[in-house]
Amino acid sequence: AQSVAQPEDQVNVAEGNPLTVKCTYSVSGNPYLFWYVQYPNRGLQFLLKYITGDNLVKGSYGFEAEFNKSQTSFHLKKPSALVSDSALYFCAVRDTNYGQNFVFGPGTRLSVLP
Amino acid sequence: ETGVTQTPRHLVMGMTNKKSLKCEQHLGHNAMYWYKQSAKKPLELMFVYSLEERVENNSVPSRFSPECPNSSHLFLHLHTLQPEDSALYLCASSPTGNYGYTFGSGTRLTVV
Repeated sequence: AQSVAQPEDQVNVAEGNPLTVKCTYSVSGNPYLFWYVQYPNRGLQFLLKYITGDNLVKGSYGFEAEFNKSQTSFHLKKPSALVSDSALYFCAVRDTNYGQNFVFGPGTRLSVLP
Repeated sequence: ETGVTQTPRHLVMGMTNKKSLKCEQHLGHNAMYWYKQSAKKPLELMFVYSLEERVENNSVPSRFSPECPNSSHLFLHLHTLQPEDSALYLCASSPTGNYGYTFGSGTRLTVV
């Protein structure tokens, strides 16, 4: 079975500083990995995905994520945080050996302080 | 707008009421999903429809009844709900393959 962990409920960072939101996963086959962002009272919006290829994936709004197979991680990063990046971030994984559905992590709330 | 539209955006209903949530997509996707998002809990997958056929039902109580009349529309019929059913209900759609989901903005449901 597949699972996703986001070890931090909350991440606080000052505006202009780099940010990292952590994600680790467990799958039996190859992982398909996604990051989504959710603003208050809205649905989830796609940020980026890793399917295959380069381990460093670039996505929307200046975000990027690095796939690390040995550490089974897919941490979300941004070189310089904006106050408008404050939101709830979800990591999701699909195991190629286990059906078509994604499993979502519990979410990490990012607060960027001015 | 994401291309997945959910109505209503907000709904308050009594425990004896019957109501329906609607989801509509015109993205050409052939799979649709209902998720429940409660405060401080992970997203819960409720139902999956692929090509209008229900392919997954994650032990959801029978007071929730999904309907998928065609590939563009998905409903969630609600009856005799409980206060703990209050949550944000999210609809999503996807094509086949590895393209991820497109989510609607959700319906904020309050059961009183």
